[in-house]
Amino acid sequence: DIAMTQSPDSLAVSLGERATINCKSSQSVLYSSNKKNYLAWYQQKPGQPPKLLIYWASTRESGVPDRFSGSGSGTDFTLTISSLQAEDVAVYYCQQYYSTRTFGQGTKVEIK
Amino acid sequence: QVQLQESGPGLVKPSETLSLTCTVSGGSISSYYWSWIRQPPGKGLEWIGYIYYSGSTNYNPSLKSRVTISVDTSKNQFSLKMTSVTAADTAVYYCARDPNALDIWGQGTMVTVSS
Repeated sequence: DIAMTQSPDSLAVSLGERATINCKSSQSVLYSSNKKNYLAWYQQKPGQPPKLLIYWASTRESGVPDRFSGSGSGTDFTLTISSLQAEDVAVYYCQQYYSTRTFGQGTKVEIK
Repeated sequence: QVQLQESGPGLVKPSETLSLTCTVSGGSISSYYWSWIRQPPGKGLEWIGYIYYSGSTNYNPSLKSRVTISVDTSKNQFSLKMTSVTAADTAVYYCARDPNALDIWGQGTMVTVSS
């Protein structure tokens, strides 16, 4: 099984400032034949199902604001919110789909 | 627009079998994989397993001995059965479309395991 570890577990960021969440997989999720990283990011607000933000590590889902960006390759990945808005308060999860599916433990983003 | 809706009992007794169904509307269940995911109260997400419309499955190794996922293409539904449940299986259960990343989710259904 591929384990996913996120850091930090929580962070508080001022409105308009940058938020950065890290995700590390226990083995590479880069598929050599197509050079794609099998890594997604989700946002979950209270009482709602998760919402897909990013897939293939850096491709934004349709309708997701461009302040959300994903980067990284292999085993180390980052979700960046370039200018935090009030509506971005949520828990964020990374997930690998290279080998079955595994989620990170989540990172709670709050306003400072 | 594809939508998913979970249904099933909200209360299950310990040692019994949890059964849920996910109904797909606005599109065909044919093509794509379809997943079940759960979330205990106040905790993170746990992938349970997926099924392809053809019937092939893959399960979380930690749950594999207790879980069966099936599909009924004529009804555009797929289902989850989990045997020998305990209080640790109390969670919100979600179904989702799974063309790699989980791009469409149901609203989730709360299942409580209690006598």
